[in-house]
Amino acid sequence: DARVTQTPRHKVTEMGQEVTMRCQPILGHNTVFWYRQTMMQGLELLAYFRNRAPLDDSGMPKDRFSAEMPDATLATLKIQPSEPRDSAVYFCASGPNSYEQYFGPGTRLTVT
Amino acid sequence: QKEVEQNSGPLSVPEGAIASLNCTYSDRVSQSFFWYRQYSGKSPELIMSIYSNGDKEDGRFTAQLNKASQYVSLLIRDSQPSDSATYLCAVDTGRRALTFGSGTRLQVQP
Repeated sequence: DARVTQTPRHKVTEMGQEVTMRCQPILGHNTVFWYRQTMMQGLELLAYFRNRAPLDDSGMPKDRFSAEMPDATLATLKIQPSEPRDSAVYFCASGPNSYEQYFGPGTRLTVT
Repeated sequence: QKEVEQNSGPLSVPEGAIASLNCTYSDRVSQSFFWYRQYSGKSPELIMSIYSNGDKEDGRFTAQLNKASQYVSLLIRDSQPSDSATYLCAVDTGRRALTFGSGTRLQVQP
């Protein structure tokens, strides 16, 4: 049963620290997405890759966030420096296209 | 105006009733529409897609699309307590990846 995996599942860190979240997409999927979900803002798209190339990262604060796909089996989302307002659940999703998205379990980030 | 709007709820229905979840979108060029279900503390999962005007049925779920009115809905027949979740409407405008609504929380009372 193929699934998107994300690590870590939970992360508590202090303001100013670097946070790295990792995602392994489902083998064969060529699109990868990073989302952030909060009660106030709902599900927000941060970045979107197709065939490892970034297609859209307009939803991502560029000064502190970065997203990469070093290879087809790994996507990373980094926050440096982290701030309390970054506290949220971060989801990675992959799919055979941009519509059919399979979500990972998420990383719950708390920045104190 | 938000691109995709949903009533946040909660929508409360008794077990066995029909639950009706509604979604409106602002971009007339939108072509593809999706419903995702998200249980509390879990990740969203795709349950329905619809591309043409009219109804599409899958088991107890029916998606309805009216492009002229820019309206898409999800009907759940014979609602079960296990259907209690947040339902997210998602729209593809062709410009970027899906745009999600904020979701409607459904509570099915036993």
